[in-house]
This record gives sequence, structure tokens and C-alpha cells, in this order.
Amino acid sequence: AQKITQTQPGMFVQEKEAVTLDCTYDTSDQSYGLFWYKQPSSGEMIFLIYQGSYDEQNATEGRYSLNFQKARKSANLVISASQLGDSAMYFCAMREGGGSNYKLTFGKGTLLTVNP
Amino acid sequence: DTGVSQNPRHKITKRGQNVTFRCDPISEHNRLYWYRQTLGQGPEFLTYFQNEAQLEKSRLLSDRFSAERPKGSFSTLEIQRTEQGDSAMYLCASSMGQGAETQYFGPGTRLLVL
Repeated sequence: AQKITQTQPGMFVQEKEAVTLDCTYDTSDQSYGLFWYKQPSSGEMIFLIYQGSYDEQNATEGRYSLNFQKARKSANLVISASQLGDSAMYFCAMREGGGSNYKLTFGKGTLLTVNP
Repeated sequence: DTGVSQNPRHKITKRGQNVTFRCDPISEHNRLYWYRQTLGQGPEFLTYFQNEAQLEKSRLLSDRFSAERPKGSFSTLEIQRTEQGDSAMYLCASSMGQGAETQYFGPGTRLLVL
């Protein structure tokens, strides 16, 4: 089974509007972390936002917020007031367990296009 | 504060040749990771180091792949006898070793094996 599922291969949004990118995850661990990264066409992975499994509040970082629904195992990224520079691939990733596991498992990504 | 750097940024080689990539992590980060990303996919974990110790290797890391991190600073990833299937983006990341363990990535090395 896929650990991270991103069901939207591509999304379009008008500049200045909000957009939600979906991510569902699968784990039996109680402790885990969820991350979102942005990858522009240049290739570098840029960290956006983090949510820990025990965090009670949804994470926010500027225009980015994470809609964390633990029971549904979803961690959707919300980008408010989209900008042309937001056009990129977006990846959801998970780090399972605590302790000695540090590797990230990524989804296949969603290509976001912001239209002027 | 400089980020993660990787060299070279691009590498074209012929099948059967050996290639080596270098990664310089963020200076105070003690964990370093290598990932491989093929077209249309998310990055896949290859291996990681804590200081100079290589603590985990993925099954993706065949015998032709070797990674080192001498003295716990920069790391090298070598691919011997390259194959066309090795063509990919090789990404390096580092983390501080505390808290959320957020991994910060370098710009990657794009490898093309002809």
C-alpha cells in the first residue's frame, strides 16, 4: 500500500485565490511527522511546513497552512492568496515513528499552476 | 547561513563509467541523507548518516552504489559501472538532529547515463 497518496496529479488556480492540495497517509505508528515541500522547475526541494502527529493545532507558516485530520489520516496543504511564483510541484512526505527512523517517504506530487 | 550544496549540478556519462557526487550539508547539521528522484516521482530514500556513521541503507542502494561521509562533514555518493536506469536526480539533505528533524535539501545532481 502507498504510504503517501496525492490524488491530484495537477491543479490549476487563479492568482490571489486559495487552493488545497490533498494528501492522505498510511501508518500504524502513533508518532510521526508530516511535511510539505515545494519543487520548482529548478529541482531544489524547498521545505514549507511541518505537522507532528501529537500537535493539536494545525500548522501555519505565512500563506501556508496544513489541514490535519488525524482520524481521516489526511494532511492537506492550503495555500492562500496564490501567487504566480507558487507554480511548482508540491510533495507531501512522512517520517514514521520516533527514535531512530529519520527517512522521509514521499508521495508522487501535485503540479500546481497559478494562472494570472 | 549557507544551505546544502551539491556538485556537480549536472553530469552526463557513458554506460559503464563511474561517477561521484559531492554534498556539503548545512554546517551545524549532523544528519545527512541521500535520495534519488526519477521523472514523475517523488524522491526515494537511499541512505543516511549520523555524523560519519552510515546508519541505514535502502534496498535501492545496490552494490554498485557506495556513500561515505568522512569526518562527519561532506558526503560523497559513488556509482560504479553506471547503467541507463541510474539516470535520475540525486538529492542530498541534512537535518540538525533534534525536534522535527526537518530535512533541508540541496539543488540536486542530475545524472544522465547514455
